[in-house]
Amino acid sequence: KAGVTQTPRYLIKTRGQQVTLSCSPISGHRSVSWYQQTPGQGLQFLFEYFSETQRNKGNFPGRFSGRQFSNSRSEMNVSTLELGDSALYLCASSYDGYYEQYFGPGTRLTVT
Amino acid sequence: QQQVKQSPQSLIVQKGGISIINCAYENTAFDYFPWYQQFPGKGPALLIAIRPDVSEKKEGRFTISFNKSAKQFSLHIMDSQPGDSATYFCAASPADKLIFGTGTRLQVFP
Repeated sequence: KAGVTQTPRYLIKTRGQQVTLSCSPISGHRSVSWYQQTPGQGLQFLFEYFSETQRNKGNFPGRFSGRQFSNSRSEMNVSTLELGDSALYLCASSYDGYYEQYFGPGTRLTVT
Repeated sequence: QQQVKQSPQSLIVQKGGISIINCAYENTAFDYFPWYQQFPGKGPALLIAIRPDVSEKKEGRFTISFNKSAKQFSLHIMDSQPGDSATYFCAASPADKLIFGTGTRLQVFP
């Protein structure tokens, strides 16, 4: 089975711009979760989608949003980028919930 | 309390030795405790996980010990190898998300 894929792998954006990140889960997995990883805050949960519905959301501002398509692929959008949004954004997929989550390689976002 | 406290921050072990990383939690609603291994430039990889109804789980050189009454769990890496050098994260799930510890950077020297 192919693993979780994320595109693009690297992004450089300017403050104030918006960005869209993409995640393709493992075939057959219906749940996709997104995490932000920074040296200062560690790994923090953003949100989780299951069958195209957001089931849970972490403590991030509304500038962070996501969606899931019928084929379980998911996108994450960050609007009005701030310098502090520079991070590794990871998505993880699992069959039907929060257990046994498998992570992709991440998208490294740099905001200048 | 939604925190998971992990120690030590860094660990240096000789090849062939035992690496031990500890985590503690407070929320008794947590019901799933995985460990992840992350190499530089890669996403975290699921190593091993345990549910609170068992006190120990072993997979190869990796063992999770779980103490429900103390709300603590630990990862033991037996016969540590230089290839085990990575950052290790514990996590806990209250069934709606994974809450991660702060990570332990393990270095195994030959």
